[in-house]
Amino acid sequence: AQKITQTQPGMFVQEKEAVTLDCTYDTSDPSYGLFWYKQPSSGEMIFLIYQGSYDQQNATEGRYSLNFQKARKSANLVISASQLGDSAMYFCAMRGRGSTLGRLYFGRGTQLTVWP
Amino acid sequence: DAGVTQSPTHLIKTRGQQVTLRCSPKSGHDTVSWYQQALGQGPQFIFQYYEEEERQRGNFPDRFSGHQFPNYSSELNVNALLLGDSALYLCASSPGAGTGVRGTYNEQFFGPGTRLTVL
Repeated sequence: AQKITQTQPGMFVQEKEAVTLDCTYDTSDPSYGLFWYKQPSSGEMIFLIYQGSYDQQNATEGRYSLNFQKARKSANLVISASQLGDSAMYFCAMRGRGSTLGRLYFGRGTQLTVWP
Repeated sequence: DAGVTQSPTHLIKTRGQQVTLRCSPKSGHDTVSWYQQALGQGPQFIFQYYEEEERQRGNFPDRFSGHQFPNYSSELNVNALLLGDSALYLCASSPGAGTGVRGTYNEQFFGPGTRLTVL
């Protein structure tokens, strides 16, 4: 079974600084997908970035980049130039394989607070 | 283009009652997944519907059941509510069970959720 671990319950960063949110995963499947979602206090899960296990390059989407280290089974999210609106819960998730394809396994999340 | 919509936004029930939550997927999506998110936790997969059938199921009791309609919308039903069923229920839609329209991944778009409180 897939497992996602997020060890940082909370992170604080000053506006305009960069921050890294940690995510490690465990799977025996050679093919998998890793996702990061943002969840503001309103509750909606907002897709940020995706990394496939066979992707040669680290994924980037605007201010978001994914530091993918396959051998270490880590997929850390890097947010550059933090903004006050980035304050939210951030979840790392893994897409299942085979009969569980399409199902997402989530970590417990990291609460990011951006201060002025 | 409307995204995933859910109703109601909030719901308060008492123990033993039954509840129905509704979800309309994003236009063009035919697969709907339901997740339960307890306070302070990450979402947990309940089940997934495709072609009006339950395709996958997580570790949830039979009190949790669902349905998908021909227009791809879906309902989540919970019977004999327990205090522990209090949570945010999220619906996610995607374009086809196990396939994606962007590259090889299967992105899931989430709705705003229904917050259920059981007293």
